[in-house]
Amino acid sequence: VLTQPPSASGTPGQRVTISCSGSSSNIGGNPVTWYQQLPGTAPKLLIFSNNHRPSGVPDRFSGSQSGTSASLAISGLQSGDEADYYCAAWDDSLNGVVFGGGTKLTVL
Amino acid sequence: EVQLVQSGAEVKKPGESLTISCKGSGYSFTSYWISWVRQMPGKGLEWMGRIDPSDSYANYSPSFQGHVTFSADRSTSTAYLQCTSLKASDSAIYYCARQVGASAYDYWGQGTLVTVSS
Repeated sequence: VLTQPPSASGTPGQRVTISCSGSSSNIGGNPVTWYQQLPGTAPKLLIFSNNHRPSGVPDRFSGSQSGTSASLAISGLQSGDEADYYCAAWDDSLNGVVFGGGTKLTVL
Repeated sequence: EVQLVQSGAEVKKPGESLTISCKGSGYSFTSYWISWVRQMPGKGLEWMGRIDPSDSYANYSPSFQGHVTFSADRSTSTAYLQCTSLKASDSAIYYCARQVGASAYDYWGQGTLVTVSS
C-alpha cells in the first residue's frame, strides 16, 4: 500500500534519500515510521512519528512527511548503513498497519 | 532490559497446524499491544494483526483473517500465533513486536523461521 523505490545507492559520506508514497488514509493522516533491517536480523526502529529518533539512533538519520508522502534521509553514508529500509503507517481504511515494499540501500 | 523471545524454528507438512510463542520480559506485558509481522523469503514486511495482552482483544489484517489466531497468557507474559491448514506459501519468518505508537514497534522478537514442505 505504501510505495518505495526498490533500491537506492550512494558512496561513503554522501547523503541519500528514500521516498515513501501513500494516501490520505495512511500517511496523509497518521505518523510515519521507518525501520532498518540489516541482513539476517529483525527490523530496528529508526524513525517514529515522522521525524523522531529513538535514543541510540545517530542524527545522520532524519525523517520528514508532507501530505501523503514521506522520506528518510541518511547523511554521511557509511558501509554499515547497507540494509533494507521500510516505511510504515497506520491505515484508517484497513484498520491496520501498512508497510512499504522496502528499499535496499547499497553503499558503493 | 526489554526482551521478546520467540520459540524456535519449525518444519511442518502441508495441512498441519503451528503455534509460535513470544515471551516478553523486562516490562509490563499488559501495557503494550503485541503485533505479528510476516516476512516471506526475500520479501518485505507484512502486518498480520495485533493483540492487546491486557484483555486478549485482537484485530487481524484482512489478508490473514480466518487463517491465524492470536492469543496471550498474562500469567506467563507470552503471546501466541496459531496458524492452521498450513500451505507451502506460509513458509516465512514470523516476528512479534511491541507496539509503542500507531505503526511504531520498539522491540522485536528474533523471528521464527517456519518451513512448510512435504
